[in-house]
Amino acid sequence: KNEVEQSPQNLTAQEGEFITINCSYSVGISALHWLQQHPGGGIVSLFMLSSGKKKHGRLIATINIQEKHSSLHITASHPRDSAVYICAVGLAGNQFYFGTGTSLTVIP
Amino acid sequence: EAGVVQSPRYKIIEKKQPVAFWCNPISGHNTLYWYRQNLGQGPELLIRYENEEAVDDSQLPKDRFSAERLKGVDSTLKIQPAELGDSAVYLCASSLGLAGSTDTQYFGPGTRLTVL
Repeated sequence: KNEVEQSPQNLTAQEGEFITINCSYSVGISALHWLQQHPGGGIVSLFMLSSGKKKHGRLIATINIQEKHSSLHITASHPRDSAVYICAVGLAGNQFYFGTGTSLTVIP
Repeated sequence: EAGVVQSPRYKIIEKKQPVAFWCNPISGHNTLYWYRQNLGQGPELLIRYENEEAVDDSQLPKDRFSAERLKGVDSTLKIQPAELGDSAVYLCASSLGLAGSTDTQYFGPGTRLTVL
């Protein structure tokens, strides 16, 4: 049983397209994190959400606590956005569950 | 300021050999995590430290894995003996440790272990 489900698993987009990655979870959470992992690179935290919406540059993250669902949007996608995007949920007691990631490839 | 430092970056060993990974967290970060990430999967927690105390090691295979965080700063993760299925990327992360699961975790570059 996966506490965190992401979709799609793989995504290919043309440069400039609007991208949406989805995350659903089945447990009560304190916070939801969106992470970015480049090939051969470390993981970088993009957002921490406990409610509502956050925006940073071309990235937007939303969360619906009642529906246990979060989305990560990328506007005007660029090849440098190509990476694996991971959703992680934080529970009380500092416990975390990670999704398997969405591999995004943006083609010039 | 330096991020989370891990060494080595890559390690290739034969099965049944021992291996050790080292992590230096961001200065001032009380919480340290060791994760294992298999190809195509998300990270899985192995152990979490709050200062020098291991507060969650429920997923650590204790028959072959051990970890320590002396003085609440650097940490070492050891596998002895290594098995083929241990091939993975071992990630270290740290956080301030003030806000629990709402803290931002900062990840190191990982150690890619290949067991032959």
